[in-house]
Amino acid sequence: DTEVTQTPKHLVMGMTNKKSLKCEQHMGHRAMYWYKQKAKKPPELMFVYSYEKLSINESVPSRFSPECPNSSLLNLHLHALQPEDSALYLCASSQDVTVSQPQHFGDGTRLSIL
Amino acid sequence: QQQVKQSPQSLIVQKGGISIINCAYENTAFDYFPWYQQFPGKGPALLIAIRPDVSEKKEGRFTISFNKSAKQFSLHIMDSQPGDSATYFCAAKGMSSTLGRLYFGRGTQLTVWP
Repeated sequence: DTEVTQTPKHLVMGMTNKKSLKCEQHMGHRAMYWYKQKAKKPPELMFVYSYEKLSINESVPSRFSPECPNSSLLNLHLHALQPEDSALYLCASSQDVTVSQPQHFGDGTRLSIL
Repeated sequence: QQQVKQSPQSLIVQKGGISIINCAYENTAFDYFPWYQQFPGKGPALLIAIRPDVSEKKEGRFTISFNKSAKQFSLHIMDSQPGDSATYFCAAKGMSSTLGRLYFGRGTQLTVWP
């Protein structure tokens, strides 16, 4: 079992739907991350939150909207996605962005866009 | 530009053999080098990590060798088992100015035959 919990595990949505991915950690970490992973590829960084403030947006399309309501929770709001957005979406957390400590990953949400 | 180069892309090893995966980097500001193991349908899990002031780190059957002057590091899996069959990613993290960004290698798919 991972210490970063992601829900739902699977999500199928149409291109006009609005949905949200959720991530939760209780390790007291102050940095949280969203990654996108395609099959047989490494994770690609999308967003970084440090102390609940967005610190990195890797030029992600606006149809992806991140939110960090508190230090334990991270959401990714989805709207008007495209078929190429189908992927595994991973959440990770670490103690702090400035410290060389590991990032701990959740098991992801497998997203399919119809 | 690929910040971390990983080879081989795939590796087949007999049970009980040694699996070796190599990575190389250019950015001398990197100060933390983790290895992640990922099984199908799961998120990447931290396997072992090293800092550049250490030339070798061993945890059970897993060893990282680090060559700072050559800017290379490698993962050795001793007595490889079928349960080790997974995708392995090396990664590198820089100092605080990179705001927590992890640079991943492209991954190695390891298959251990019984």
